Amino acid sequence: DAGVIQSPRHEVTEMGQEVTLRCKPISGHNSLFWYRQTMMRGLELLIYFNNNVPIDDSGMPEDRFSAKMPNASFSTLKIQPSEPRDSAVYFCASSPQDRGFFSYGYTFGSGTRLTVV
Amino acid sequence: QKEVEQDPGPLSVPEGAIVSLNCTYSNSAFQYFMWYRQYSRKGPELLMYTYSSGNKEDGRFTAQVDKSSKYISLFIRDSQPSDSATYLCAIQGAQKLVFGQGTRLTINP
Repeated sequence: DAGVIQSPRHEVTEMGQEVTLRCKPISGHNSLFWYRQTMMRGLELLIYFNNNVPIDDSGMPEDRFSAKMPNASFSTLKIQPSEPRDSAVYFCASSPQDRGFFSYGYTFGSGTRLTVV
Repeated sequence: QKEVEQDPGPLSVPEGAIVSLNCTYSNSAFQYFMWYRQYSRKGPELLMYTYSSGNKEDGRFTAQVDKSSKYISLFIRDSQPSDSATYLCAIQGAQKLVFGQGTRLTINP
């Protein structure tokens, strides 16, 4: 298995531009998570999906952020308009869920390093 | 109060030393406890996973859980420069994992 695949690996954009991050989870994993990691705040959960349905989006910082999962093999995280404080590494992770517990842990992608100038 | 507290370090030790990494948590309902390792510019990867109180060994790594104190630890014996990474504890919450902030560890040759 190729693991969780994220694209792009790096993104540099100007303030105000739209940014779209992409994720392909591991086949058969029915839960998908978007995280943001910064030095100051560590790893923050933004949103997670179960069977393509958003379950908890309480971590989405504001309306500028949106996420979709149109099918089991693809998800996007969009920031519009982007701001310098959005600069961070964004990770996607997937997991097979077993009776509500993630006892197998999450498998993370390699992340997208976003810089907004 | 954060659900999971972890000292971010950094922690720097000489090669061969025993390393102790720790987390505390607030919710006694948590049942599954994990440690992730994250190398620079990579995603976190699952290192160890435990369910109950007590110790679990995997090679040079030992995970320890004390549910009465809400305290979890990761011990690394005979530490190697290749162990240099950020270590994150993660604890199973209601429907998701809750991560600590991570401790940056450097093993000096």
